[in-house]
Amino acid sequence: DGGITQSPKYLFRKEGQNVTLSCEQNLNHDAMYWYRQDPGQGLRLIYYSQIVNDFQKGDIAEGYSVSREKKESFPLTVTSAQKNPTAFYLCASSMKGIDSTDTQYFGPGTRLTVL
Amino acid sequence: AQSVAQPEDQVNVAEGNPLTVKCTYSVSGNPYLFWYVQYPNRGLQFLLKYITGDNLVKGSYGFEAEFNKSQTSFHLKKPSALVSDSALYFCAVRGNAGNMLTFGGGTRLMVKP
Repeated sequence: DGGITQSPKYLFRKEGQNVTLSCEQNLNHDAMYWYRQDPGQGLRLIYYSQIVNDFQKGDIAEGYSVSREKKESFPLTVTSAQKNPTAFYLCASSMKGIDSTDTQYFGPGTRLTVL
Repeated sequence: AQSVAQPEDQVNVAEGNPLTVKCTYSVSGNPYLFWYVQYPNRGLQFLLKYITGDNLVKGSYGFEAEFNKSQTSFHLKKPSALVSDSALYFCAVRGNAGNMLTFGGGTRLMVKP
């Protein structure tokens, strides 16, 4: 899990609530990513950021929002507009996002459950 | 569009036997290929990657992978499996610059004593 931390480890949310998942890295990486993992499926990209104050939508951005105000932090907000938010959320970072050879390193994940 | 297929949901192998976890890919241009391992309720750990050069790539924990361009495959291998290798394995591919990683659906490896 290296120098990437995610909190909390487990999160419970009532329907209609927004929640924010934290992701912090001390690797001095430029790029950061958020993925969603559902049972039996691979990882799907929600949002990514290649540099501070800039971020792009991934494949499944609807119902999510992010910010990148600091290089080391990339919080994800799961809004009430996300219809099926129960999943395992993984944050990752890489040195230079635009380099295809770059390795992404992952945090330990946050398991979100909607009650 | 790029894609990754891991045709086996689960692979069962006896401890001490060789293991292979299969991966095939489709991508425009040169492929950059990655293997990750995930233990229960944990994040993904990087095992190895192929960028260029030797088709046999060696990685962490005794794992290796063989890149085969003609078969568009990148199978993960280990000569002698350990019970502790039991986990979920993901193959991922990236093509041209600016493309994001695309992951396969994962293969669960079960190593029995």
